[in-house]
Amino acid sequence: EVQLVESGGGLVQPGRSLKLSCLASGFTFSNYGMNWIRQAPGKGLEWVASISSSSSYIYYADTVKGRFTISRDNAKNTLYLQMTSLRSEDTALYYCARRTADYWGQGVMVTVSS
Amino acid sequence: DIQMTQSPSFLSASVGDRVTINCKASQNINRYLNWYQQKLGEAPKLLIYNANSLQTGIPSRFSGSGSGTDFTLTISSLQPEDVATYFCLQHNSWPHTFGAGTKLELK
Repeated sequence: EVQLVESGGGLVQPGRSLKLSCLASGFTFSNYGMNWIRQAPGKGLEWVASISSSSSYIYYADTVKGRFTISRDNAKNTLYLQMTSLRSEDTALYYCARRTADYWGQGVMVTVSS
Repeated sequence: DIQMTQSPSFLSASVGDRVTINCKASQNINRYLNWYQQKLGEAPKLLIYNANSLQTGIPSRFSGSGSGTDFTLTISSLQPEDVATYFCLQHNSWPHTFGAGTKLELK
């Protein structure tokens, strides 16, 4: 069974940093591209970042480019999202998703507030 | 960016009804369109991928159609467990973009 479990969320002040993790199981992690998708409270879904299976291709939404870094450790079956210079508009439920979003985690909440 | 216009935003239907939800892309996305179901407090679940392919384990009452710019999700006979929010995703080009969602309730 494919499982994606996010962690690392929480309350953080504007301008600070936070690192999310997504532990994958139930499939060969190193064979799949992975993604971060977020949903702000009461808003729609936004595709945040993507990384190919070998980390050779990376995509960022314009809203996070230069502030967020997606990475992965295939030996640990783990996807990461390093978030810096956080803003209030980054407050959202962050989902980890496989490939073209065929499987999603339950999400982890990030709240940016002073 | 490709805009995905989803309609209706809200839908009330009875058990056994045929339900249709639409997504319209602002430009041609071929068949690179997925449909998802999200129940309250749960992760989104893929129903249909590439416009008309049923994901493994999804009941056959769900179907998808369309290509280019106009797409439809159909539930042939609504069941109580289908109460959820449904949304589409285009993955033809970056950034991948979502429809705003359709909240489906029982009448």
